[in-house]
Amino acid sequence: DAGVIQSPRHEVTEMGQEVTLRCKPISGHDYLFWYRQTMMRGLELLIYFNNNVPIDDSGMPEDRFSAKMPNASFSTLKIQPSEPRDSAVYFCASRRDRFYGYTFGSGTRLTVV
Amino acid sequence: TQLLEQSPQFLSIQEGENLTVYCNSSSVFSSLQWYRQEPGEGPVLLVTVVTGGEVKKLKRLTFQFGDARKDSSLHITAAQPGDTGLYLCAGAGITGGGNKLTFGTGTQLKVEL
Repeated sequence: DAGVIQSPRHEVTEMGQEVTLRCKPISGHDYLFWYRQTMMRGLELLIYFNNNVPIDDSGMPEDRFSAKMPNASFSTLKIQPSEPRDSAVYFCASRRDRFYGYTFGSGTRLTVV
Repeated sequence: TQLLEQSPQFLSIQEGENLTVYCNSSSVFSSLQWYRQEPGEGPVLLVTVVTGGEVKKLKRLTFQFGDARKDSSLHITAAQPGDTGLYLCAGAGITGGGNKLTFGTGTQLKVEL
């Protein structure tokens, strides 16, 4: 299995631009999670899906952030417009069900200048 | 909000030494997981503990879940340079089917020759 695949690995963009991060979870995993990691705040859960349906988006910082999961093999996290404080590493993770641990992708390092 | 405090925050030791990392919370968790993260990669699951008082061993690593399921520890015997990394504990809440993981603040371990 190729694991959880995220793209791009690195993204540098200017303030105000739209950014789209992509994730392909492991096949057969019913849960998908988006996390953000910074030095100051550690790993924070942004949103998670179960069977492609958003279950909890209480961690999404503000309306500039949105996430979709149009099918079981693809999810996006979009930031529009981006701001320098959005700079972080964004991780996608999936799990088969609640009795299993998470499998994380390698992350997308986002820098907003 | 369930918070997980890890200590120490940083640890630099020589090869062959033993160490213990602590993960503490005022909240009760249905289960607790430990992850190790290396630079440029996502966290990788090491172990899941579920029962209060449970002890699990993974080669030179020993994990313990507190009797009250509020805390956990990770003990490494005879540390090796390959153990270097960021160690994260993560607790699953009692509610919500345990789907939301709250990550600890992390312990950065460096093992030198």
